[in-house]
Amino acid sequence: EAQVTQNPRYLITVTGKKLTVTCSQNMNHEYMSWYRQDPGLGLRQIYYSMNVEVTDKGDVPEGYKVSRKEKRNFPLILESPSPNQTSLYFCASSLRGSEQFFGPGTRLTVL
Amino acid sequence: GQQLNQSPQSMFIQEGEDVSMNCTSSSIFNTWLWYKQDPGEGPVLLIALYKAGELTSNGRLTAQFGITRKDSFLNISASIPSDVGIYFCAGRRDNTNAGKSTFGDGTTLTVKP
Repeated sequence: EAQVTQNPRYLITVTGKKLTVTCSQNMNHEYMSWYRQDPGLGLRQIYYSMNVEVTDKGDVPEGYKVSRKEKRNFPLILESPSPNQTSLYFCASSLRGSEQFFGPGTRLTVL
Repeated sequence: GQQLNQSPQSMFIQEGEDVSMNCTSSSIFNTWLWYKQDPGEGPVLLIALYKAGELTSNGRLTAQFGITRKDSFLNISASIPSDVGIYFCAGRRDNTNAGKSTFGDGTTLTVKP
């Protein structure tokens, strides 16, 4: 089954404790992206990747890092999480960047 | 960054009614997309539009790519309870495998049986 998976689905952590949210897709898509969703603000793009070793900033990249060492994986790294990064995070993949398939989401709470 | 203004913010309608929502931008987009998000899940693509003036249907859903390339519309005919959810428009400047994606803030649809 074609899908985008994210782990963990729920995470509660404390300020400053480094964390990684994994994202994996099995559709051989070149394009992958991370978004955060906050009430009333829709989906805001954090980072995207056009292919292996090619990443670029979205609209809200501050406080986040990504890497794309393999085509199928696109982890999101929070080196020093802060409470304002409490949000619902979605990973997405696409063959060409337009029609995106979204993962189920990761709900992150930073205390 | 680029901004998409999506309206209305929310809609409460009776089952069987038609629904219209739209998205406007001050910038030109080359691709317009409409997604639906069910509660507790990720957004799912409904319709993709690649050409100015294009009108595309997917069952009871119809979307149009505005002639100016600065707006798009989504209509849902004869709504049913499972239409409940958040509808997002999204725009992309590039058709190629590059570029940022910009999403609207969403329209929350409630359908009363």
